[in-house]
Amino acid sequence: AQSVTQLDSQVPVFEEAPVELRCNYSSSVSVYLFWYVQYPNQGLQLLLKYLSGSTLVESINGFEAEFNKSQTSFHLRKPSVHISDTAEYFCAVTHNYGQNFVFGPGTRLSVLP
Amino acid sequence: DTAVSQTPKYLVTQMGNDKSIKCEQNLGHDTMYWYKQDSKKFLKIMFSYNNKELIINETVPNRFSPKSPDKAHLNLHINSLELGDSAVYFCASSQAGRGAPQYFGPGTRLTVT
Repeated sequence: AQSVTQLDSQVPVFEEAPVELRCNYSSSVSVYLFWYVQYPNQGLQLLLKYLSGSTLVESINGFEAEFNKSQTSFHLRKPSVHISDTAEYFCAVTHNYGQNFVFGPGTRLSVLP
Repeated sequence: DTAVSQTPKYLVTQMGNDKSIKCEQNLGHDTMYWYKQDSKKFLKIMFSYNNKELIINETVPNRFSPKSPDKAHLNLHINSLELGDSAVYFCASSQAGRGAPQYFGPGTRLTVT
């Protein structure tokens, strides 16, 4: 069975500061990893994904995440956040043999002016 | 242009009633899902369904039942609603295949009074 941990339930940060949202997973098999963002009163939107290849993946709005197999982590980073990045961020994992996702509990990113 | 749509967006009803939430996807995906998001934003898979197989999360009460009239639709029927059913319900879809990302609808906020 897989599980996902997001250690920080809330992360407040000032505008234009860097941010890292942590995600750790456990699985006995190879995994695929995802980050989703949920803006207030909206559905989840895919932010980025790691399937294979380069361990550093990027999104179109400046976020990046790095897959670290030895540390079983997939932390999300952004060098300079905007007010509009305020949202809930979910890390998710699926394994090699199926499609069902396991989501982490989410991290609420609050960007302060 | 909406990829995954749900109706209604809000649903307020009384305990004991039976209600349905509709979901449609126009992405040509093979698999559809229902998730429940509780008040703490925790996401839990309820069902996954393709034209071959329905997988039910064993913790879901049998008052909940998915119904798929065709590949593009997966509706959620709930019988004898209870206070604890109040939550946001998300429909999602994905292509078949390992690591395929899931795409989410906007959610239906169900309030049981």
